Amino acid sequence: EAQVTQNPRYLITVTGKKLTVTCSQNMNHEYMSWYRQDPGLGLRQIYYSMNVEVTDKGDVPEGYKVSRKEKRNFPLILESPSPNQTSLYFCASSFRGAPYEQYFGPGTRLTVT
Amino acid sequence: AQSVTQPDIHITVSEGASLELRCNYSYGATPYLFWYVQSPGQGLQLLLKYFSGDTLVQGIKGFEAEFKRSQSSFNLRKPSVHWSDAAEYFCAVGARGNQFYFGTGTSLTVIP
Repeated sequence: EAQVTQNPRYLITVTGKKLTVTCSQNMNHEYMSWYRQDPGLGLRQIYYSMNVEVTDKGDVPEGYKVSRKEKRNFPLILESPSPNQTSLYFCASSFRGAPYEQYFGPGTRLTVT
Repeated sequence: AQSVTQPDIHITVSEGASLELRCNYSYGATPYLFWYVQSPGQGLQLLLKYFSGDTLVQGIKGFEAEFKRSQSSFNLRKPSVHWSDAAEYFCAVGARGNQFYFGTGTSLTVIP
């Protein structure tokens, strides 16, 4: 089954404790993105990647890092999480031939206390 | 700067009634436009998209949207709403590369 998976689905952590949210897709998609969703703000793009080793900043990259060492994986790293990063995070992927037809993962709800 | 505005935060309609969700965008070039739906606790699902050509586009689940360049709008419509359509709806603009800009969403409640 074609899908985008994210782990963990729920995470509660404390300020400053480094964490990684994994994202993996099995569709051989070139493009991948991370978004955060906050009430009243919709979805905002954090980072995106157009291929292995190619990443770029979206609208709200501060406080986040990403890497794209393999085509299928696109982890989101919070080196020193803060409470304002409490949010619902979505990973998405798409095929280079149809870059805007994104497949979304189920989401990761992160709480930073 | 690119932006997407969904002026209606919340809309309530009766089952069987027609629906129109508004979306306005600001983008310098020809926009790639999308509508996504998010059911509670779920990820986003693509309803329909506009790239070029016919300005009235059909999507899944009986939805359609019309691109009006003069009004910078891409409103979503459905002639007869079903209870299962209750969800949050997001309009989005696709920009160069893989950049996306989403609206803040419209929450739809359907009354039996």
